[in-house]
This record gives sequence, C-alpha cells and structure tokens, in this order.
Amino acid sequence: QSALTQPPSVSGSPGQSVTISCTGTSSDFGSYNRVSWYQQPPGTAPKLMIYDVTNRPSGVPDRFSGSKSGNTASLTISGLQAEDEADYYCSSYTSISTWVFGGGTKLTVL
Amino acid sequence: QVQLVESGGGVVQPGRSLRLSCVASGFTFSTYGFHWVRQAPGKGLEWVAVIWYDESKKYYADSVKGRFTISREISKNTVYLQMNSLRVEDTAVYYCARAGQGYSLDYWGQGTLVTVSS
Repeated sequence: QSALTQPPSVSGSPGQSVTISCTGTSSDFGSYNRVSWYQQPPGTAPKLMIYDVTNRPSGVPDRFSGSKSGNTASLTISGLQAEDEADYYCSSYTSISTWVFGGGTKLTVL
Repeated sequence: QVQLVESGGGVVQPGRSLRLSCVASGFTFSTYGFHWVRQAPGKGLEWVAVIWYDESKKYYADSVKGRFTISREISKNTVYLQMNSLRVEDTAVYYCARAGQGYSLDYWGQGTLVTVSS
C-alpha cells in the first residue's frame, strides 16, 4: 500500500492557476475513477474538494477542477486566492478494497 | 448538519490498548460506511480502516491489520476503533470520516490525538 506520489510544494500568485499532480500505479488507479482530493488548512480537518476525478461537492467553488490521464490525476485551482493556501491530498480506492493517500502538497499563495 | 465527533484519545504506553469513538449526527447513520484516517505530527494523511454501512465488510491498512478493529453501534450512532498492541509509530491525530459518493470521504471529524510513549 504505497502512498500516491505528489509534489511536496507548489506556489502561485493571486489570480494565477496551479496544478497539483498525483501519480499512482495500476493497482491504485486501475480502471477506477475513484480519485478524490482534500484540502487541509493548517490546524484543521481535511475537506473534500473533488470526488470521482472530476466531481465537485456542493459548495466547492468551480475554480477547483480535477482530471485524470492514465495513472496520473491532477487538481487545478484557477484564479488563486489567499484562502486557497493549504495542504492538498489526493486519495484513491484500490484494487484490494483499501484506500491510499498521496503524501500531500503544500500550496503557497505568493 | 452533518457532525462527527471523535473522543477517546490520550497518552498510552507501548503495548497497551485504547478505544476511540466517533459519534455521528445530522444524517441517517445506518445508511453510511465510515473510515478512520490518521495523521502523525507534521506528516501526511494515512488511511487506517473502513467499515461498510451494513458491517458486511471491514478493511484495514497493512500497518494496523491484526492490531486494530473497526466496529459500529447503530443504537448509539457511534463508530469505534479498538487499538491493541499500540506502538510508538501509532502516535497521530485520528480522524473519523463518513464514506461519501464515489468512494470519497465526504465529512470529517475534528480528530482526537493518540500519543504512544513510555
């Protein structure tokens, strides 16, 4: 159950777009589209931002979008805002009925 | 509104046991599965265990298999994590989360801190 691979950090200026990648194996992602993304500001619990690769829960701004190609999923945040500064984690349901998280990416808004 | 409230954390010696609880409210408890996820100090999220809505299936991370047990009590709207043979490396904030759409974890509690130390 190896963790999914994310870049440790990304940064961008207000108004810009940033993309966070999440790479797994075929046993992590397989033919499933069960990738989710979570936002965790410092000192708080994680919050679901994207599920099933591309779907946004109610209340999540449409500035947040997800995609997947092969064994790499991506989260794109457009029109960056100061409040977006947080740690972001990807997660996937696996072929052995477990879940796995990425190592996390710290987003800094410059 | 959906609420998940964990409790039961604390300081415990290596080799001892601890039981965490997660009380759910604001939705129909019996129709949802639940997860436990942990986060060691300064580290990332680690998935720990899941229980299906009807208790028909339970799955665990390799790191806790054989030591931790997830269960639920419908009459109390509560999910438990029984942790035995605790190790120093089990030190973490433990979050309870509801199983949402598409195998996501859609609501999370505030977490409870478990410290394993002699």
